[in-house]
Amino acid sequence: GAGVSQSPRYKVAKRGQDVALRCDPISGHVSLFWYQQALGQGPEFLTYFQNEAQLDKSGLPSDRFFAERPEGSVSTLKIQRTQQEDSAVYLCASSVEGNTIYFGEGSWLTVV
Amino acid sequence: AQSVTQLDSHVSVSEGTPVLLRCNYSSSYSPSLFWYVQHPNKGLQLLLKYTSAATLVKGINGFEAEFKKSETSFHLTKPSAHMSDAAEYFCVVSDGYQKVTFGIGTKLQVIP
Repeated sequence: GAGVSQSPRYKVAKRGQDVALRCDPISGHVSLFWYQQALGQGPEFLTYFQNEAQLDKSGLPSDRFFAERPEGSVSTLKIQRTQQEDSAVYLCASSVEGNTIYFGEGSWLTVV
Repeated sequence: AQSVTQLDSHVSVSEGTPVLLRCNYSSSYSPSLFWYVQHPNKGLQLLLKYTSAATLVKGINGFEAEFKKSETSFHLTKPSAHMSDAAEYFCVVSDGYQKVTFGIGTKLQVIP
C-alpha cells in the first residue's frame, strides 16, 4: 500500500480483556517497529522485526505483550489481560534498512 | 549509546514570526537525524532528515534544520510560522538500522 496501515484505529477494552493490533507495513519494507506513546509523551520503543525475525523485543513492558510477523509482512501486537496502564497509542513503523522510518496513524487503546 | 534532548517542551510564537525548536543529540557513531511532526490525533509525519550529506537540510512546509557536529545540535527552524504549524515536533536519532531514539517532543503553539 501507499503507507503504513494500522487497525483498529480506536479500541476500548475492558480490563482483563485481550487485544490484538494489526500493522500492514509499506510493501517491500524489511524493517518493522512497534512503539508505545502514552498521553503527553514521546514514542517509546517496544520491538523490532527484520522480515519475520524479531531481533529486539527489549522494550516490551511485560510478558503480557507479544508481537509477531510470521510471513515478514503484516505484524500483530497482542496484549493479554489488559491493564489501565496499557492505555496508549500504539504506533507501527516500517523502513528499508538504514533509511527513513514511516509511521502509521496509530491504534488508540483505552482500557476501562 | 545514543540520546536526544529537546530543550523546550513548549514553544509559543506569533503567526508570521520565526520558529526555532532546539535539539541536541549524543551518539557514538555518525547518526542519522530526523524531525517528525505530529498533529492532534494523527500519526507521525517526516519533516526532514539528515544522513551525512549536506549539513543544511530543507524539509516540507518551509522547515529546515542545520546539522552542527561541533555543537551536537540539529535545531529546526522556519522563517515565518503559520497557524497550521501548531503541533508537536519530535527530534529523532538513528544508527541507521534498528536503534531509533525519540526526544520527548516540543509542543509548538502559534498565536494569531
